[in-house]
Amino acid sequence: KQEVTQIPAALSVPEGENLVLNCSFTDSAIYNLQWFRQDPGKGLTSLLLIQSSQREQTSGRLNASLDKSSGRSTLYIAASQPGDSATYLCAVKPDDKIIFGKGTRLHILP
Amino acid sequence: GAVVSQHPSWVICKSGTSVKIECRSLDFQATTMFWYRQFPKQSLMLMATSNEGSKATYEQGVEKDKFLINHASLTLSTLTVTSAHPEDSSFYICSARAPTLEQYFGPGTRLTVT
Repeated sequence: KQEVTQIPAALSVPEGENLVLNCSFTDSAIYNLQWFRQDPGKGLTSLLLIQSSQREQTSGRLNASLDKSSGRSTLYIAASQPGDSATYLCAVKPDDKIIFGKGTRLHILP
Repeated sequence: GAVVSQHPSWVICKSGTSVKIECRSLDFQATTMFWYRQFPKQSLMLMATSNEGSKATYEQGVEKDKFLINHASLTLSTLTVTSAHPEDSSFYICSARAPTLEQYFGPGTRLTVT
């Protein structure tokens, strides 16, 4: 059974710092891995999607990597800003379904 | 990008009543939609897969008679929570699968049962 784990569960860092969020999954048989952002009480915003054949994707200050063989992904946020404060969800797609981690609650201190 | 809407965005109902939540794909046709539930500080858990023109497929532990799903058209799926109880209070999110196979998520519906 596919399980997705995100570490840490919560993180507070001063504005301007670079940071890394971690995601691990138990079964490497996935079609893709996706990182989402969720603001309190809101829906999901897709940040980056990495296909199983890819190693990384970049969008602005965000960079996500995928090591399928080891079952790991990282989301790197450069030069963090208070507006980056949100919950970041990692999700894998083993088949039709998407399996989510519990997320990392990120708080950027002004 | 593709847009998925949900209605209502929040709803409060009394225990024992039923409430319907709509999920619409606004600019694409979706033969498959998915319904998720999210409790506070928890992950999104898939409840069921909704297929247009056929019965929904429910995940283990989800009561199909309590959570009625109707995918009546290629752009609309509805989730009806029947005989709601306070423990059904949660954030319900739908997603719709586009012809490109990418899933797009709705903004969610906050259900509070008093």
